[in-house]
Amino acid sequence: QSVLTQPPSASGTPGQRVTISCSGSSSNIGSTSVNWFQQLPGMAPKLLISTNDQRPSGVPDRFSGSKSGTSASLAIGGLQSEDEADYYCAAWDASLNAVLFGGGTKLTIL
Amino acid sequence: EEQLVESGGGLVQPGGSLRLSCAASGFIFSNYWMTWVRQAPGKGLEWVANIKQDGSDKYYVDSVKGRFTISRDNAKNSLYLQMNSLRAEDTAVYYCARRPDSTTSWSTFDVWGQGTMVTVSS
Repeated sequence: QSVLTQPPSASGTPGQRVTISCSGSSSNIGSTSVNWFQQLPGMAPKLLISTNDQRPSGVPDRFSGSKSGTSASLAIGGLQSEDEADYYCAAWDASLNAVLFGGGTKLTIL
Repeated sequence: EEQLVESGGGLVQPGGSLRLSCAASGFIFSNYWMTWVRQAPGKGLEWVANIKQDGSDKYYVDSVKGRFTISRDNAKNSLYLQMNSLRAEDTAVYYCARRPDSTTSWSTFDVWGQGTMVTVSS
């Protein structure tokens, strides 16, 4: 069971906006930055959002990240079929001295 | 092109050992913290270990401490993971990844390899 909690699944229709949450604690999200990764089926993970809300070069602005207190969120606007993937949040935990990943959220495009 | 290529995975019996390698190219390897992340079949991502640029600092997830050793050879642009006393629960795809030098975040990994499969079974 992950210390960073994500909903196991999310869904939306093309063009819709969906939000994926990531809940942690004061020793991880509450004190460090959050990163989001996208993993397409059969592929390696890809950095989607870094340090809470920064989009790496090449990531469409349909993807956005935010953080408040001990929680973070990933928003995907204008859903497209190619967004169907698993999404993971990650943060350093100062108590465990370890990187934590959320359990992952499987996004389905209906 | 910045690239990471893992190798060394395979089938090993419980209690056995395996050494994974990760070859880096397209960037100055010695400038970056590096990490190993694994993913059991059908499961989520799990951070395994990371290592400082010069190899002087290393961190491990509790479940592998005392069994796995992360190391690097900057002259060969290579990262390694020596895995001993392997257990069935170590079965996973193992990815190496790079932490960008421009970040203060310990969980930002901007370049990933394609992964190598490790299966621990009798």
